[in-house]
Amino acid sequence: AQTVTQSQPEMSVQEAETVTLSCTYDTSESDYYLFWYKQPPSRQMILVIRQEAYKQQNATENRFSVNFQKAAKSFSLKISDSQLGDAAMYFCALNTGNQFYFGTGTSLTVIP
Amino acid sequence: EAGVAQSPRYKIIEKRQSVAFWCNPISGHATLYWYQQILGQGPKLLIQFQNNGVVDDSQLPKDRFSAERLKGVDSTLKIQPAKLEDSAVYLCASGTSPGQLEQYFGPGTRLTVT
Repeated sequence: AQTVTQSQPEMSVQEAETVTLSCTYDTSESDYYLFWYKQPPSRQMILVIRQEAYKQQNATENRFSVNFQKAAKSFSLKISDSQLGDAAMYFCALNTGNQFYFGTGTSLTVIP
Repeated sequence: EAGVAQSPRYKIIEKRQSVAFWCNPISGHATLYWYQQILGQGPKLLIQFQNNGVVDDSQLPKDRFSAERLKGVDSTLKIQPAKLEDSAVYLCASGTSPGQLEQYFGPGTRLTVT
């Protein structure tokens, strides 16, 4: 069975600082993809970043980067230079085959 | 381009009643997903369509939930009869193809069953 675990229900960060959101997953598949999604209050969920399991290089999208530790089955998201607009629920997700599995989310607060 | 549209945005029904949700994906997107997001949890994939065919419905409670995408464009998700535990946000997402994996989500329909 595939599982995704986000152990931090809530996190906070000062504006302009850096924050790291944790995610661990479990799968027996060798071919899979990992994602971080952002869900702002009352707004649509959007993709932040994705990582292919076969790629060793960590994905980066502007201020967002991941630390993908395949052996440890860990996939953390680092947000640099945090902005007020980064405040949202962040979901870690795993795709294997035709299925997507989401974690329970981390609520990020950005403090001005 | 227009995003994924869903209606209604909110629905309140009593248990044992029926309800239907509608989703119109982004034009040209072949893949369509329905998710159930219970408060405090992450989205759970219920069913995935590729054009008008079902790719995966392994987590759809088929005794009460049904979904269709007859013309390979918009889709309807139905619950009959509804139970209290069906209270959730129902999210629709679309993508260009299963292999592409990027999903574009709609605003969701918030269902309350009383």
